[in-house]
Amino acid sequence: GAGVSQTPSNKVTEKGKYVELRCDPISGHTALYWYRQSLGQGPEFLIYFQGTGAADDSGLPNDRFFAVRPEGSVSTLKIQRTERGDSAMYLCASSLSSVGNEQFFGPGTRLTVL
Amino acid sequence: RKEVEQDPGPFNVPEGATVAFNCTYSNSASQSFFWYRQDCRKEPKLLMSVYSSGNEDGRFTAQLNRASQYISLLIRDSKLSDSATYLCVVNRGSNYKLTFGKGTLLTVNP
Repeated sequence: GAGVSQTPSNKVTEKGKYVELRCDPISGHTALYWYRQSLGQGPEFLIYFQGTGAADDSGLPNDRFFAVRPEGSVSTLKIQRTERGDSAMYLCASSLSSVGNEQFFGPGTRLTVL
Repeated sequence: RKEVEQDPGPFNVPEGATVAFNCTYSNSASQSFFWYRQDCRKEPKLLMSVYSSGNEDGRFTAQLNRASQYISLLIRDSKLSDSATYLCVVNRGSNYKLTFGKGTLLTVNP
């Protein structure tokens, strides 16, 4: 079956602009996660959704970052007033539920802020 | 101190070699442990979960020592296709908020 998909695969933007990154989880997966991976580092947790609600957004670095999942499926990560330090790979993962299930990662969106 | 620390690497080994990766974690409340594999410019994929009793999957053996807060991965008879970054991963029990180490790059040479 289809895995987690993310669009766009690459996004280049200018400092100060607004960007939206989209994640389409595996069908039927209720749990969805966003991670950010900088070069040479492991992924870092940003936010976790169970269904439509953000159950844990403690990893969002500041209030320029926001994510939604209005219908409990597709999620959008929104970044306002982008900064060069936001440049990274943004990875989305989904799992059947939050407890005891493998997280499947999408191919990521590589964001470059010039 | 980082929550998950791994061998810095990189590791360069010939085909057929045995290679071991080590990882320590700082949070004694951690309950689940994994090794993920990440190919260059690709997403991480679960290689194996790690259990206290130790577990083996073909050429791969994972060990966990809760007392020392130490996790290891052993790869025997390494193949060219094993070349990748290996990520040590822990979480505190609800299986969300995975905490990753920096990863160790392995290159297997012909």
